[in-house]
Amino acid sequence: GAVVSQHPSRVICKSGTSVKIECRSLDFQATTMFWYRQFPKQSLMLMATSNEGSKATYEQGVEKDKFLINHASLTLSTLTVTSAHPEDSSFYICSASGLVSSDTQYFGPGTRLTVL
Amino acid sequence: KQEVTQIPAALSVPEGENLVLNCSFTDSAIYNLQWFRQDPGKGLTSLLLIQSSQREQTSGRLNASLDKSSGRSTLYIAASQPGDSATYLCAVKENSGYSTLTFGKGTMLLVSP
Repeated sequence: GAVVSQHPSRVICKSGTSVKIECRSLDFQATTMFWYRQFPKQSLMLMATSNEGSKATYEQGVEKDKFLINHASLTLSTLTVTSAHPEDSSFYICSASGLVSSDTQYFGPGTRLTVL
Repeated sequence: KQEVTQIPAALSVPEGENLVLNCSFTDSAIYNLQWFRQDPGKGLTSLLLIQSSQREQTSGRLNASLDKSSGRSTLYIAASQPGDSATYLCAVKENSGYSTLTFGKGTMLLVSP
């Protein structure tokens, strides 16, 4: 149990376009989802925390208007990278915590974004 | 602000060796500490979770210890195998409930046959 999926696993886009990444909890209700970004050989850096039905809380230095997060249901959160630029190329990972196990985060497999 | 450091950044060992990975954190007021494994281009696999009240956890060939007062944890891998090659990440959780994890940069392990 406690499986989190992400789609797509890889995406390549042109500079200036927008890209949407989905994070789904497959077998539990995720009241809170977290979005992380990981650059090569670097740590996972938290970008934002989203709670179902409310606005996401962004970490300092993360642009809200560039990284749009929507957590519309208890099983789905989306991250949209708007007007993507090459410096946005990174590995994006989501995690989810549920009602029953709020202490535990279950991680998705990640999405590799490459902006040309 | 909590900072997590992992040493060494990279480690290469021959198959069969026992090895230790180190993790330190600056604020000892943690709720728990977790060790993850990450294969190249993949997500995270949780290996061991140690609550702040615990001293160690074991799973198969893996043993993780926690010295909360000194802000240190170690991951011991016994009889290493090529399949253990991956990046190992340490993360601390400062509060119960829906709080975030603070990650180290990881140790990249290569076990050669």
